[in-house]
Amino acid sequence: SQELEQSPQSLIVQEGKNLTINCTSSKTLYGLYWYKQKYGEGLIFLMMLQKGGEEKSHEKITAKLDEKKQQSSLHITASQPSHAGIYLCGADKTGANNLFFGTGTRLTVIP
Amino acid sequence: EAGVAQSPRYKIIEKRQSVAFWCNPISGHATLYWYQQILGQGPKLLIQFQNNGVVDDSQLPKDRFSAERLKGVDSTLKIQPAKLEDSAVYLCASSSTDRGQRNTIYFGEGSWLTVV
Repeated sequence: SQELEQSPQSLIVQEGKNLTINCTSSKTLYGLYWYKQKYGEGLIFLMMLQKGGEEKSHEKITAKLDEKKQQSSLHITASQPSHAGIYLCGADKTGANNLFFGTGTRLTVIP
Repeated sequence: EAGVAQSPRYKIIEKRQSVAFWCNPISGHATLYWYQQILGQGPKLLIQFQNNGVVDDSQLPKDRFSAERLKGVDSTLKIQPAKLEDSAVYLCASSSTDRGQRNTIYFGEGSWLTVV
């Protein structure tokens, strides 16, 4: 069974629209990471959340971690074509600072 | 600050051949990871090093995969003999153990392997 579920698997939005990507674990996590990946490239670090209820923002991207540290959301405001790519959530399940990843959400932004 | 360096970027080999990938982490980062990412999936941890010691290699197929980090800096991942299902991107990552920077894991651009 998939221990880290991401939804939706793919998302197509019009430029300027807001969107949300979710990441859910069946177990409490030590940390939750968000990365962006473009085809043929490595993972670009976006944000790391460690405390229950934590929220971080960078430019137009906001990530939240729920109080139970089992669910996270990534919200993009006023999407742009530059936001297109695959968004991956990675979870530290054991505190050993290594990550288990979801299968990713493929975001397409139509100009 | 230079990022995580990996080479080669692309490699095509025939099944049963061997291949090696090299990684140089961000300067000063004590922890180094190798991940395997099959097309359409999220990355899967193969091995984690802390300096030159192995922290976790539970998902490394040890009958064909090996990795070393002899001096605690750069690392090499080897596959021998390669199988068709080893076709994937091999991602190297590193993180610091400094209290202020701990836990942020930075990835290289990956080494693409195609086994034919």
